[in-house]
Amino acid sequence: GAVVSQHPSRVICKSGTSVKIECRSLDFQATTMFWYRQFPKQSLMLMATSNEGSKATYEQGVEKDKFLINHASLTLSTLTVTSAHPEDSSFYICSASVPGQGIKTEAFFGQGTRLTVV
Amino acid sequence: SQQGEEDPQALSIQEGENATMNCSYKTSINNLQWYRQNSGRGLVHLILIRSNEREKHSGRLRVTLDTSKKSSSLLITASRAADTASYFCATDGERFGNEKLTFGTGTRLTIIP
Repeated sequence: GAVVSQHPSRVICKSGTSVKIECRSLDFQATTMFWYRQFPKQSLMLMATSNEGSKATYEQGVEKDKFLINHASLTLSTLTVTSAHPEDSSFYICSASVPGQGIKTEAFFGQGTRLTVV
Repeated sequence: SQQGEEDPQALSIQEGENATMNCSYKTSINNLQWYRQNSGRGLVHLILIRSNEREKHSGRLRVTLDTSKKSSSLLITASRAADTASYFCATDGERFGNEKLTFGTGTRLTIIP
């Protein structure tokens, strides 16, 4: 299957700093990528849809100024957690689907990033 | 919230037994998918079933879909220790080309050797 690479896998940062997480599609071009957040032992909650060349679409309740998304190329989307606080500590996962698959929307996921804000 | 529900939340069985997980969802769909997540890792796609299909098999996996009840089940036969993971169902919208997935609450499966 297609490969989505996410980096870093783990990051620890100080409260008040910003952290950037990268999501790359390695063997296909992704016009759309998705960013999820997952709390321990819970499901994935969609945060935003990242669209190449345009603004991201955020889900209700997600602060766009806090979670900055940039999708500058067809293979890279970045999520920047700005002015991080301990409550932002979570597991962040990106995904992308291979375009042109019609209604077959199998998604390929990155390995996830464990963010700990201290 | 559009999130679906899965049950059981947790399931422990002996190696070799069959494991059944259920998923219910709320809106009309194109497809329903099942994913597996090992602890602290990303998700791995297992199987996709379309809204006009009722049953699908892939190796030791069997998925059923009942659109009238908005529910699906995942059966893993002859379980192995390596099947220990969390399992999530995910649905997409009925609108063509809608890639946005809504995940269920997940079932944590533990296979006891």
